[in-house]
Amino acid sequence: AQSVTQPDIHITVSEGASLELRCNYSYGATPYLFWYVQSPGQGLQLLLKYFSGDTLVQGIKGFEAEFKRSQSSFNLRKPSVHWSDAAEYFCAVNDYKLSFGAGTTVTVRA
Amino acid sequence: EAGVAQSPRYKIIEKRQSVAFWCNPISGHATLYWYQQILGQGPKLLIQFQNNGVVDDSQLPKDRFSAERLKGVDSTLKIQPAKLEDSAVYLCASSLELPRTSGRNEQYFGPGTRLTVT
Repeated sequence: AQSVTQPDIHITVSEGASLELRCNYSYGATPYLFWYVQSPGQGLQLLLKYFSGDTLVQGIKGFEAEFKRSQSSFNLRKPSVHWSDAAEYFCAVNDYKLSFGAGTTVTVRA
Repeated sequence: EAGVAQSPRYKIIEKRQSVAFWCNPISGHATLYWYQQILGQGPKLLIQFQNNGVVDDSQLPKDRFSAERLKGVDSTLKIQPAKLEDSAVYLCASSLELPRTSGRNEQYFGPGTRLTVT
């Protein structure tokens, strides 16, 4: 069965610093991978997705993610964090059903 | 284009009471999903509709939860009777109609309904 692990429950980062959120997946075939962001009181918004091809994927809001099959990872990165990036981030894998990780909460300090 | 609409946004009820949530998907989206998101966890799929038929309800606690999508557009999710552990955010999502086994199904989420059971 497919599953997703996000090892970091909470990350605090200074505004302007870089951010990396980890995601490991378990899936037998080629995975379809997603990163979603959830701001307080809001629904989930898709940041980026990976289906195939180039393993470095660009998304919205300056985010990117790199798919590494050998490590079963799909880590999310942003070079310079803004205060508005404070939110909860979810990695997900999709076969016919979308399975989410437990999420990583990002706090941005001034 | 208008997004996925949900109401109410917040609901507080006592245990053993009943509650209903409403969802209107993006126009033209044949597939509709209901998720339960407990605090500190990722969303968990409760039920998936394609048009007005159920595709997957394996995680729906059918003794107390029910859902319908009679006209293939909007949907309601009901809990009767509610338990304390039902306190969660209930998210509705929709997507274009794609083959059931396609993992490329991009889902669009509504703002959710936060349910508190006391």
